[in-house]
Amino acid sequence: SQKIEQNSEALNIQEGKTATLTCNYTNYSPAYLQWYRQDPGRGPVFLLLIRENEKEKRKERLKVTFDTTLKQSLFHITASQPADSATYLCALETGRRALTFGSGTRLQVQP
Amino acid sequence: GAGVSQSPSNKVTEKGKDVELRCDPISGHTALYWYRQSLGQGLEFLIYFQGNSAPDKSGLPSDRFSAERTGGSVSTLTIQRTQQEDSAVYLCASSKAGTSDETQYFGPGTRLLVL
Repeated sequence: SQKIEQNSEALNIQEGKTATLTCNYTNYSPAYLQWYRQDPGRGPVFLLLIRENEKEKRKERLKVTFDTTLKQSLFHITASQPADSATYLCALETGRRALTFGSGTRLQVQP
Repeated sequence: GAGVSQSPSNKVTEKGKDVELRCDPISGHTALYWYRQSLGQGLEFLIYFQGNSAPDKSGLPSDRFSAERTGGSVSTLTIQRTQQEDSAVYLCASSKAGTSDETQYFGPGTRLLVL
């Protein structure tokens, strides 16, 4: 069956450390993958898009990798700050206009 | 407005009643999406509108759910004969031209509670 898996357990890290979140998928061949941030009571906000022919994409303190062989994307936040605390969602292109989302991983950065 | 707006922000209804949820997309965005998010879950696609094309209704969970988009702008999601399992946050998003690699801009959602 087709699945998108993100770690359902919250990730707790200390301020200043690098946070690494994982998105694994099975039985999809996405042309690209997106990462969104969602704060409590708010809608998701787009962060980064990475295409299947790109290994890595960076934006300020954010870095995303995309391994189509492993069927995995990693999302890194370097020099993490308490303001980075939120839920992070990965979303895949799955052959239709709408995205298919994972359930998200909650990140908590401790000061 | 600057972003996608949705109303109401919260809705409490009794089982069996009908509800209407409204979405105002960003001006000029031709694509509009409805998603549903249950507690602790990811977003579940419901329906997609692109310009004057027939909508993609493949995500609607039952025939109690329907949506319209009038004049290529405002959209209304209607749930008839609501059930308790319909309780969720209903999120609307819009994008410029509806190509699938575009950024989707989300509204704040409508929190629906069916008692």
